[in-house]
Amino acid sequence: DSGVTQTPKHLITATGQRVTLRCSPRSGDLSVYWYQQSLDQGLQFLIQYYNGEERAKGNILERFSAQQFPDLHSELNLSSLELGDSALYFCASSGDRGSTEAFFGQGTRLTVV
Amino acid sequence: AQKITQTQPGMFVQEKEAVTLDCTYDTSDPSYGLFWYKQPSSGEMIFLIYQGSYDQQNATEGRYSLNFQKARKSANLVISASQLGDSAMYFCAMREGGGYGQNFVFGPGTRLSVLP
Repeated sequence: DSGVTQTPKHLITATGQRVTLRCSPRSGDLSVYWYQQSLDQGLQFLIQYYNGEERAKGNILERFSAQQFPDLHSELNLSSLELGDSALYFCASSGDRGSTEAFFGQGTRLTVV
Repeated sequence: AQKITQTQPGMFVQEKEAVTLDCTYDTSDPSYGLFWYKQPSSGEMIFLIYQGSYDQQNATEGRYSLNFQKARKSANLVISASQLGDSAMYFCAMREGGGYGQNFVFGPGTRLSVLP
């Protein structure tokens, strides 16, 4: 168990809909990262938050948004969903030491039909 | 520019043989960390091994070792005595700076297949 909790584990929704993915980081970790992994693809970095503030932005679509709350949990909002948004969405958290690895949640499998 | 390069999309290795998965990186920061992760077909991301830029010795963790060549900016993962359970996707990642909110950058991955 990595200590990172993602909910839900699976999500099936229709095109055009909006969903929210939730992530609770490891206790004490201030950084939260979101990644998208399409079938048989690598990890596409979406966005990073550090202690409530956006720290880095990757290939995140304008239809997607995220935030980190005061209790450090984070939510990734995906709207106007398209078939191509079907993917595994990972949340990871890490501590401040440079030697600390990123701890990954189990991922949310999103299927858009 | 691509910060992490993994030039082998797929690799095959015979069971019980050793295999090297390549990773090269690009950074101008003198302080950085290199990480390897394994992703089996079940999907979870499993941390394998870490190498710091100032570490003098190559990192080892059980059957995993990291062949760190700083001047060449390479951090190859060596898996000794391959097992069928090693079949998975392997990702190399880098974290620049001393931590404190620095991002992790992942490579495209190498799919390793271990043959019986």
